[in-house]
Amino acid sequence: DQQVKQNSPSLSVQEGRISILNCDYTNSMFDYFLWYKKYPAEGPTFLISISSIKDKNEDGRFTVFLNKSAKHLSLHIVPSQPGDSAVYFCAAMRTGANNLFFGTGTRLTVIP
Amino acid sequence: DADVTQTPRNRITKTGKRIMLECSQTKGHDRMYWYRQDPGLGLRLIYYSFDVKDINKGEISDGYSVSRQAQAKFSLSLESAIPNQTALYFCATSDFFLGVGGSPYEQYFGPGTRLTVT
Repeated sequence: DQQVKQNSPSLSVQEGRISILNCDYTNSMFDYFLWYKKYPAEGPTFLISISSIKDKNEDGRFTVFLNKSAKHLSLHIVPSQPGDSAVYFCAAMRTGANNLFFGTGTRLTVIP
Repeated sequence: DADVTQTPRNRITKTGKRIMLECSQTKGHDRMYWYRQDPGLGLRLIYYSFDVKDINKGEISDGYSVSRQAQAKFSLSLESAIPNQTALYFCATSDFFLGVGGSPYEQYFGPGTRLTVT
């Protein structure tokens, strides 16, 4: 049973606009969330994370929002750049367990 | 040089064959992981190891075994490969830290091994 879900397999956005990638989870014990980016023929690389004690974390063009009551998080990229074109994975964990549960990924295409 | 390396990068094998995928890291991390990625299913944890004497099953360990030969080396074996083990396999490492930047729970991934079982 998929505990972390990314319901949009793909997303296309014009360069300079905002990209919003969504993620839902079912396990209320998850208290830490990460986003990873993956380019073809490479492993996933860490992008940004958020603890459940926060509802927002920002790093440059990337912001992650967490809505615990809805068990939903989103990644905002502003402004989107062609180099952001990749597959984005959401991951969740219960701190102390250290096992990451990944979503199915969303392929972002930023159109120049 | 890459911090986490995987060999081979690509492998085609036949049903019933034994195969080993190898992972090496130069990050000095104690924790190592094996994942597989299938289309539409994301990454799923196969096995993980928190130190040389510690091996734990993940979500989907059936049909796989692992060996932690040293802090830097973690191997995944398929004793008798079957076609539904065709997937992209990733090794990852981590080490809990509280420092500036990044995340204390960040895992660092290798480039992956594409395995095809015919």
